[in-house]
Amino acid sequence: GAGVSQSPRYKVAKRGQDVALRCDPISGHVSLFWYQQALGQGPEFLTYFQNEAQLDKSGLPSDRFFAERPEGSVSTLKIQRTQQEDSAVYLCASSLSPGPYGYTFGSGTRLTVV
Amino acid sequence: RKEVEQDPGPFNVPEGATVAFNCTYSNSASQSFFWYRQDCRKEPKLLMSVYSSGNEDGRFTAQLNRASQYISLLIRDSKLSDSATYLCVVNVRNRDDKIIFGKGTRLHILP
Repeated sequence: GAGVSQSPRYKVAKRGQDVALRCDPISGHVSLFWYQQALGQGPEFLTYFQNEAQLDKSGLPSDRFFAERPEGSVSTLKIQRTQQEDSAVYLCASSLSPGPYGYTFGSGTRLTVV
Repeated sequence: RKEVEQDPGPFNVPEGATVAFNCTYSNSASQSFFWYRQDCRKEPKLLMSVYSSGNEDGRFTAQLNRASQYISLLIRDSKLSDSATYLCVVNVRNRDDKIIFGKGTRLHILP
């Protein structure tokens, strides 16, 4: 596609529910990143893939967060047993090659845990 | 201490004025620097990279001071459409490829 596509656009989850957020990067983009943006804050790094390899997951806040990119294209961020503090916008970005340049962000998934 | 620090603002500036933001970074090994712009309820978008010698793109000028570890953004002849949040971003290349964002500075251009 022309851009990074994320779905769903909005998600309301009851506390304790599991959620799965999808990111469809630009075709051919090697690098894929997940960020979490709380209200009034800048995006915070969660995890990074180069093709199917998860090279950095240091930003995942707890073991309830899990991300995968099994075929090196679409990625899924899963949050188990959601808590209210998980409410945020989850942004996915991709870039053609490794490095800090050429990031394209998706529109994000706004997760609200009630 | 946060890796990238910015004054959150808001900066309320009349149209046509010049406005400047600074940002400081804590890791002296940081190698790449950027300003991103984020409109309300939208995703961040690259505004400009910041080079050691300073660089200009139309009404926007970015400067880097490695000795003092700060980055600046100057906007001249501000337009209503410049109203947004400006995010300072750094990358420590020898550690990994991720970019690290500041909290952002909110700018409101007043008619």
